[in-house]
Amino acid sequence: SQKIEQNSEALNIQEGKTATLTCNYTNYSPAYLQWYRQDPGRGPVFLLLIRENEKEKRKERLKVTFDTTLKQSLFHITASQPADSATYLCALDTLSTDKLIFGTGTRLQVFP
Amino acid sequence: ETGVTQSPTHLIKTRGQQVTLRCSSQSGHNTVSWYQQALGQGPQFIFQYYREEENGRGNFPPRFSGLQFPNYSSELNVNALELDDSALYLCASSSGTRADTQYFGPGTRLTVL
Repeated sequence: SQKIEQNSEALNIQEGKTATLTCNYTNYSPAYLQWYRQDPGRGPVFLLLIRENEKEKRKERLKVTFDTTLKQSLFHITASQPADSATYLCALDTLSTDKLIFGTGTRLQVFP
Repeated sequence: ETGVTQSPTHLIKTRGQQVTLRCSSQSGHNTVSWYQQALGQGPQFIFQYYREEENGRGNFPPRFSGLQFPNYSSELNVNALELDDSALYLCASSSGTRADTQYFGPGTRLTVL
């Protein structure tokens, strides 16, 4: 069956370090993958989209990689700040439904 | 540019009741998708509306239904509420019907007692 996996355990890192979050998927062949940020009790906010023919995408302190062979995307936040603390969701399109499917999200906690 | 808005923000209902949630899409967007997000989970796709027609549905029973109006605002109706329907209900608008970037509203927190 199709599955998207993100670390359910919270990621705790110190301010200034690079946070790396993982999104693995099975039985999908997505054309693109998206990352969203969600704060408690709020709706997700779009961050980045990367297409299957792109290896890497950057936006300010954010970097996303997409390895279709490994079926994995990595999401990096460099020089992390306490304000980066949130849950980060990855989402994939599916050819079968042509709609976005979300992972369960990983909670990131950046402490001073 | 006006963002996505949802009402109400919170709602408490009892089992068996019916509920209607409302969403106004971002200006310029003609597609609205609804998601259910249980605590600790990612958003689950319920259905999508494009130009007032349902355009795709997730694995939800028929008691979940919706509408889209000519101004592209939308309603989500849930009949015969069950305890497991307690969740954050998110509305998202987009400019296309494919798995495009979703612009989410703040959500409606529904509690079923």
